[in-house]
Amino acid sequence: KQEVTQIPAALSVPEGENLVLNCSFTDSAIYNLQWFRQDPGKGLTSLLLIQSSQREQTSGRLNASLDKSSGRSTLYIAASQPGDSATYLCAVSSNTGKLIFGQGTTLQVKP
Amino acid sequence: DTAVSQTPKYLVTQMGNDKSIKCEQNLGHDTMYWYKQDSKKFLKIMFSYNNKELIINETVPNRFSPKSPDKAHLNLHINSLELGDSAVYFCASSRIQGLGANVLTFGAGSRLTVL
Repeated sequence: KQEVTQIPAALSVPEGENLVLNCSFTDSAIYNLQWFRQDPGKGLTSLLLIQSSQREQTSGRLNASLDKSSGRSTLYIAASQPGDSATYLCAVSSNTGKLIFGQGTTLQVKP
Repeated sequence: DTAVSQTPKYLVTQMGNDKSIKCEQNLGHDTMYWYKQDSKKFLKIMFSYNNKELIINETVPNRFSPKSPDKAHLNLHINSLELGDSAVYFCASSRIQGLGANVLTFGAGSRLTVL
């Protein structure tokens, strides 16, 4: 049974710092991995999607890596801003399309 | 303008009551989902419908009954509500099911509180 774990559960950093969020999964037979952002009282927004054959994806200040063999992914946020404050969720997908989510990392970026 | 809309946004009710949450998407997607996010923030799939047909049912108690009158709507009806049903319920949709289904568009969530 696939399990997804995210560490840390919460993170507080001063504005401008670079930071890394971690995601691990127990079954390496994944189809792809996604990082989502969740703002309070709102739905989830997909940030980056990495196919199982890819090693990383980049979008602006965000870079996500995938090491399928070790069951790990990282989300790197460069030059963090207060607007980056949110909960970040990692989710892996089997070939049936079903998403298995981690419990998220709640990020606070202080001005 | 809202792509996936859920109503109500907040719902407070007593144990034993029956309630419904409605979801509509105007994206022309074929597949719709219900996810439950518990107090520990874990988001778990409950149901998936493709073109009004049930595709995924994640061993959810039969007190939960999804209904899809057409592919743009997926409503969730809950009978005999229990304290443990308190959670945020998210509706989502995707263009297709299966391998290409992972680009999901989520609604804003419906927070259910059972007293």
